[in-house]
Amino acid sequence: NAGVTQTPKFQVLKTGQSMTLQCAQDMNHNSMYWYRQDPGMGLRLIYYSASEGTTDKGEVPNGYNVSRLNKREFSLRLESAAPSQTSVYFCASSPRTGLVGTEAFFGQGTRLTVV
Amino acid sequence: AQSVSQHNHHVILSEAASLELGCNYSYGGTVNLFWYVQYPGQHLQLLLKYFSGDPLVKGIKGFEAEFIKSKFSFNLRKPSVQWSDTAEYFCAVSGGSYIPTFGRGTSLIVHP
Repeated sequence: NAGVTQTPKFQVLKTGQSMTLQCAQDMNHNSMYWYRQDPGMGLRLIYYSASEGTTDKGEVPNGYNVSRLNKREFSLRLESAAPSQTSVYFCASSPRTGLVGTEAFFGQGTRLTVV
Repeated sequence: AQSVSQHNHHVILSEAASLELGCNYSYGGTVNLFWYVQYPGQHLQLLLKYFSGDPLVKGIKGFEAEFIKSKFSFNLRKPSVQWSDTAEYFCAVSGGSYIPTFGRGTSLIVHP
């Protein structure tokens, strides 16, 4: 059981380049999330998808777009990367937003550096 | 809106010392509370969670946490830490929308 799988694990981009971070889960979860982790800032929510076909902004959505391709996959796109987007990105999933007592399951993370 | 505050950003202990990490949240309604651990270079893993019932929750690896509703707190404890507990610890809360909001994390270093 792979859980939540993210690709790539590491990436270096030049300022202005674009890229897509991929995330897939095999737990039949309805809800998926993208967080970024920065030193001293904890995890901040970028976007989330409560269910297939819906996406919503989180705390720090500027500079990002997302696509909920199907129930399994939730991708994060940087259209024009900036150094401020250097971070570690985590994808997570949970059975259903609004369901009491369930936790989020995390992928291994993508370490992105924008130079 | 919900928020989480972790009081200790960096904690350094010797093996066998006791641990308590503070966590306070703000949300007026029913909450789910979590502690996650992130070992160096790894993803976040759930240590324990609370959503109802006994406010003293036991998790993996000897960790426990106590939910005190009147204080909006969910502090993490371990009676005797080990070198392998060196990690970053995150408190999280999910309220009305049940989307987890995380604290800034506490970096724990345990010296052998």
